[in-house]
Amino acid sequence: QSALTQPASVSGSPGQSITISCTGTSSDVGGYNFVSWYQQHPGKAPKLMIYEVINRPSGVSNRFSGSKSGNTASLTISGLQAEDEADYYCGSYTRSDTLVFGGGTKLTVL
Amino acid sequence: QLQLQESGPGLVKPAETLSLTCTVSDGSFSSGDCYWGWIRQLPGKGLEWIGSIYCSGRISHNPSLRSRVTISVDTSKSQFSLKLRSVTAADTAVYYCARHRSGGQFDSWGQGTLLTVSS
Repeated sequence: QSALTQPASVSGSPGQSITISCTGTSSDVGGYNFVSWYQQHPGKAPKLMIYEVINRPSGVSNRFSGSKSGNTASLTISGLQAEDEADYYCGSYTRSDTLVFGGGTKLTVL
Repeated sequence: QLQLQESGPGLVKPAETLSLTCTVSDGSFSSGDCYWGWIRQLPGKGLEWIGSIYCSGRISHNPSLRSRVTISVDTSKSQFSLKLRSVTAADTAVYYCARHRSGGQFDSWGQGTLLTVSS
């Protein structure tokens, strides 16, 4: 199975909004509403930020939101803060009853 | 609060079998979905799903690793385990265990354990 496609890096200034894309196929992202997003700070375990495309776990800031159109899912972070600087990964359930992650996106807060 | 803790040898020789165990605390191991997974992260790289197991014993694997992977569960000990056979240096990674929910997401993670393959 092929990894989902994410941009290697994105950046934004404090207070701005940024969007990270995650592109798959009709066999994964496009075929199911089972896309999740994870935040990972250096040396730490990933943290779930969004699940089932649009849902936020309890305790996650409402500055984080998810969406999907066709085979591409997106994570939007509004009101960017310094603490948002991290790596972000998307993940999707697949038609083969497996899971696949994206390659990751490094977010830099300028 | 749910906590997961990986345990393993830290260092494995090439061609040997890597064995890791994840212990889940808080008493809810067999409740709910009861679905648990293993994920690894190669040095400086992204996340790679290895496989997941239900408490019923049903297992799903990453196709690229399926031939070398065994995942098992021991509900009496609130543990699940990973064995990866015939390891090479390419298997050197941080290995995470996590709770796998029905929507495909991993909502609770262990801290991760570094497994180095070297002679």
